[in-house]
Amino acid sequence: AQSVSQHNHHVILSEAASLELGCNYSYGGTVNLFWYVQYPGQHLQLLLKYFSGDPLVKGIKGFEAEFIKSKFSFNLRKPSVQWSDTAEYFCAVVDQTGANNLFFGTGTRLTVIP
Amino acid sequence: DGGITQSPKYLFRKEGQNVTLSCEQNLNHDAMYWYRQDPGQGLRLIYYSQIVNDFQKGDIAEGYSVSREKKESFPLTVTSAQKNPTAFYLCASGGGAGELFFGEGSRLTVL
Repeated sequence: AQSVSQHNHHVILSEAASLELGCNYSYGGTVNLFWYVQYPGQHLQLLLKYFSGDPLVKGIKGFEAEFIKSKFSFNLRKPSVQWSDTAEYFCAVVDQTGANNLFFGTGTRLTVIP
Repeated sequence: DGGITQSPKYLFRKEGQNVTLSCEQNLNHDAMYWYRQDPGQGLRLIYYSQIVNDFQKGDIAEGYSVSREKKESFPLTVTSAQKNPTAFYLCASGGGAGELFFGEGSRLTVL
């Protein structure tokens, strides 16, 4: 069965600090990878996705993620966070050949201090 | 506007009562999903439907039921058999490849 691990449960950063949130998945087949974000009081929305090709993908609001197949990882990064990045971040994976059943990690809450 | 509409946003229920959460989408997506979100546990899949009149159990289907009579609609019933129903429920739809669009959620509290 697929699983997704997010090791950081709560991250607190000051504005302008760099961010890296870890995501590891366990699945032997070919997968699509996603990061979703949930801002306070808002619905979950897609931040970025990886299907194939360049393993470094760029998303909205200056976020990027790197797929490292050998490490089964898809870490999220941002060089300089802003207070408005305060949110909960979820990594997710789906089997490319499967039934569109998305598996989510437990989420990482990011708090950015002005 | 295109999107997912969930209602009600907040719902209170007495123990032993069934409640139904509504989810409607106008994105013309075939697939629809119900997730449960609890603090520290991420999103867990309750039920999903790939096509009208068909649905599959997810990881935590016990105590829940769904129907998919129309492409646009995927209501979730939280039955009295659900032992711990107080949670935040999220509905989503997907056009393919795993990219999902979410509603704003329904918060159910059992009194």
